[in-house]
Amino acid sequence: DAGVTQSPTHLIKTRGQQVTLRCSPKSGHDTVSWYQQALGQGPQFIFQYYEEEERQRGNFPDRFSGHQFPNYSSELNVNALLLGDSALYLCASSFGATNEKLFFGSGTQLSVL
Amino acid sequence: EDQVTQSPEALRLQEGESSSLNCSYTVSGLRGLFWYRQDPGKGPEFLFTLYSAGEEKEKERLKATLTKKESFLHITAPKPEDSATYLCAVQNTGNQFYFGTGTSLTVIP
Repeated sequence: DAGVTQSPTHLIKTRGQQVTLRCSPKSGHDTVSWYQQALGQGPQFIFQYYEEEERQRGNFPDRFSGHQFPNYSSELNVNALLLGDSALYLCASSFGATNEKLFFGSGTQLSVL
Repeated sequence: EDQVTQSPEALRLQEGESSSLNCSYTVSGLRGLFWYRQDPGKGPEFLFTLYSAGEEKEKERLKATLTKKESFLHITAPKPEDSATYLCAVQNTGNQFYFGTGTSLTVIP
């Protein structure tokens, strides 16, 4: 049973560029949440997708956007990259929008130069 | 504002030396408190969920407890493979998660 898979594992971009990160949820899960984890910090909630809609959003600017596809996979897009966007981006899946047990992928390490 | 504070930031233990990690929290309405383990370069791995004060959960050498203001993760006779960062998170009644910054545990053989 495949767990949560994320791609790519590492990415290097320059300021002002745009980036797309991808996530496939654990089999049987229909909800995807995205988190940003800066070095030495805990994960911070970006947003949650359920039934192809953004259901909840954390305190992140509109430069951060996402999408969920009919097969429940998801993308995170970040526009106009800033140096401060450098972090580990984690995808977590669960069953149902209110389900509390999150399963995390290994993340995408984004470096903005 | 909902928030989670973990202490200590780092902990070094000799193999077999038991200790506890602390997670204190403020939350508008608690739906659940979670403990995760995170290894370097990996995503967090679920350990426990606690829902109400007085609840306890155990798994191998780990035991999690919950009060109205804090949670403890007790580690009994730790082994080197228990070395990791342990994250605490709360889920509020709005279904949002707030994570602490974690405790980095190193167990020395």
